Amino acid sequence: LAKTTQPISMDSYEGQEVNITCSHNNIATNDYITWYQQFPSQGPRFIIQGYKTKVTNEVASLFIPADRKSSTLSLPRVSLSDTAVYYCLVGDGPMRFGAGTRLTVKP
Amino acid sequence: DVKVTQSSRYLVKRTGEKVFLECVQDMDHENMFWYRQDPGLGLRLIYFSYDVKMKEKGDIPEGYSVSREKKERFSLILESASTNQTSMYLCASRPERTFGRTEAFFGQGTRLTVV
Repeated sequence: LAKTTQPISMDSYEGQEVNITCSHNNIATNDYITWYQQFPSQGPRFIIQGYKTKVTNEVASLFIPADRKSSTLSLPRVSLSDTAVYYCLVGDGPMRFGAGTRLTVKP
Repeated sequence: DVKVTQSSRYLVKRTGEKVFLECVQDMDHENMFWYRQDPGLGLRLIYFSYDVKMKEKGDIPEGYSVSREKKERFSLILESASTNQTSMYLCASRPERTFGRTEAFFGQGTRLTVV
């Protein structure tokens, strides 16, 4: 199972674009990359999933370079309500969330 | 609207009691998972199941067992509750990948206190 590495924490200000990068050097050929968001006292919720290049939905964009050894979650124009923990997962095996990236958005 | 339902939002049990945490999903998902979450330790995988009557140990199975007699229900059992099992417990379900995206859905969590 591919191991992932992401920053423990990040700070941003309202209205800025935030990019969180996840490293997954031993990603397998068939693995998808999935990002989740978790607010305090709630379970994680799905944000976005991709296999290669770029995926965009109403919440975020996911950029995956050709070698697929990393991925970047991009949150455009964050607000205070985007303060949460963000997790990067790779593959379809048992989901192991790790510590995630704690994003704090300041006014 | 898809749903994963955990039987209790808050639970208080005594040391030594046998505790059952129930999780039911209505999405016909094959995969189900149990986690506990403690401050500073993130989500830790206790057990998971890829099919009915199938179970696999996660990273911290000690002191827990599970049961999956029906596809929609995955139960976590604390055989003899101890104070160090005080935690937030989260259940999740996820479909098998056929094509397209596979997203996991989580229950609202059960905050268990063992006294």
